[in-house]
Amino acid sequence: QKEVEQNSGPLSVPEGAIASLNCTYSDRGSQSFFWYRQYSGKSPELIMSIYSNGDKEDGRFTAQLNKASQYVSLLIRDSQPSDSATYLCAVNGAGANSKLTFGKGITLSVRP
Amino acid sequence: DAGVIQSPRHEVTEMGQEVTLRCKPISGHNSLFWYRQTMMRGLELLIYFNNNVPIDDSGMPEDRFSAKMPNASFSTLKIQPSEPRDSAVYFCASSLARGNQPQHFGDGTRLSIL
Repeated sequence: QKEVEQNSGPLSVPEGAIASLNCTYSDRGSQSFFWYRQYSGKSPELIMSIYSNGDKEDGRFTAQLNKASQYVSLLIRDSQPSDSATYLCAVNGAGANSKLTFGKGITLSVRP
Repeated sequence: DAGVIQSPRHEVTEMGQEVTLRCKPISGHNSLFWYRQTMMRGLELLIYFNNNVPIDDSGMPEDRFSAKMPNASFSTLKIQPSEPRDSAVYFCASSLARGNQPQHFGDGTRLSIL
């Protein structure tokens, strides 16, 4: 059973702080990793993808991947109240017919 | 560009009725996924198709659920007969059928079975 764990949460940070969201996965053969943001009552929206070890930055968002530790994280710098949402980690295994496995999500609240 | 289109957005029906949810994937995407989301269980994959062929339906909860993809631009998820425990938000997503491609979600159907 391939698992994606997002155990910490809910998370509350003050406006302007760095929010750090963590995710671990069980399938060592996993090839691609995604972060989705889901506002209440809305659908998941892709915000970051990462495929190789290291950091990937996009604006205020940084995704970090460590395949040896089977760990992927999302950092949100200068957090804004509009970042308040549930963040879903998703992991894709190897192979042509691989599918995404989602974590249960972490709810982030940014306090003004 | 149009995203994934789902209909209806909301459905309220009585237990025992047939429910049909519809999805139009993004043009050019050849993988399509049906998910169910509840507070208790999170986002669960029900079934997915590559090039209109069902690849994995192990997430379909029971025989009351069925899904079809008659062509590249349309898929249905049917529940017959429906039960109150089927109440959830059902999402359709699509992607290119190359291993590392992300999925893009529709707005979902909020289903309530009374």
